[in-house]
Amino acid sequence: GEDVEQSLFLSVREGDSSVINCTYTDSSSTYLYWYKQEPGAGLQLLTYIFSNMDMKQDQRLTVLLNKKDKHLSLRIADTQTGDSAIYFCAESSNNNDMRFGAGTRLTVKP
Amino acid sequence: DADVTQTPRNRITKTGKRIMLECSQTKGHDRMYWYRQDPGLGLRLIYYSFDVKDINKGEISDGYSVSRQAQAKFSLSLESAIPNQTALYFCATSQPGLGMDEQFFGPGTRLTVL
Repeated sequence: GEDVEQSLFLSVREGDSSVINCTYTDSSSTYLYWYKQEPGAGLQLLTYIFSNMDMKQDQRLTVLLNKKDKHLSLRIADTQTGDSAIYFCAESSNNNDMRFGAGTRLTVKP
Repeated sequence: DADVTQTPRNRITKTGKRIMLECSQTKGHDRMYWYRQDPGLGLRLIYYSFDVKDINKGEISDGYSVSRQAQAKFSLSLESAIPNQTALYFCATSQPGLGMDEQFFGPGTRLTVL
């Protein structure tokens, strides 16, 4: 089946930028998403990007999409301890069947 | 109040027991989903329902069954639980539209099968 892959762990210092990377295989993906999961909670949509865009910025978050390489990244500027969570990359195509990556656990050290 | 609720939040059961996990939503969404989360594997789709009369198998439906009792309720059953069904289970909802399909997740049910 189609895969979504991301590294499992990332550790940064408070105030630095975090970059979480994701690759996917489905060339028919129409939307790509970043979900955040805080401890003991379900996933919440953080941001998303339509496949015909290559960048989306929302305050401290920047999403970059390289459709040719099927590579998605999430950059968090000025990372704070409250950003510590698991970040899931996900993609969907026109049938809205969503596929998730394994999640990247971001640890922010003071 | 939470829009998507799951009961129970935690459950420990024994191999061979039948168990039901319940999900309720107040968002008025047509679509509901059941996922399981395992460390290093992310979320895997078990079953999904696009409306009350439409139930579909997901990636890993073996050993599970579901019931969509109403638009607001979607339950997941393990007919005979086994230890490798120990996982965190999430219910989610979404509403089809013209564009992206945001899913709204419940808080999760942690199931342990001994």
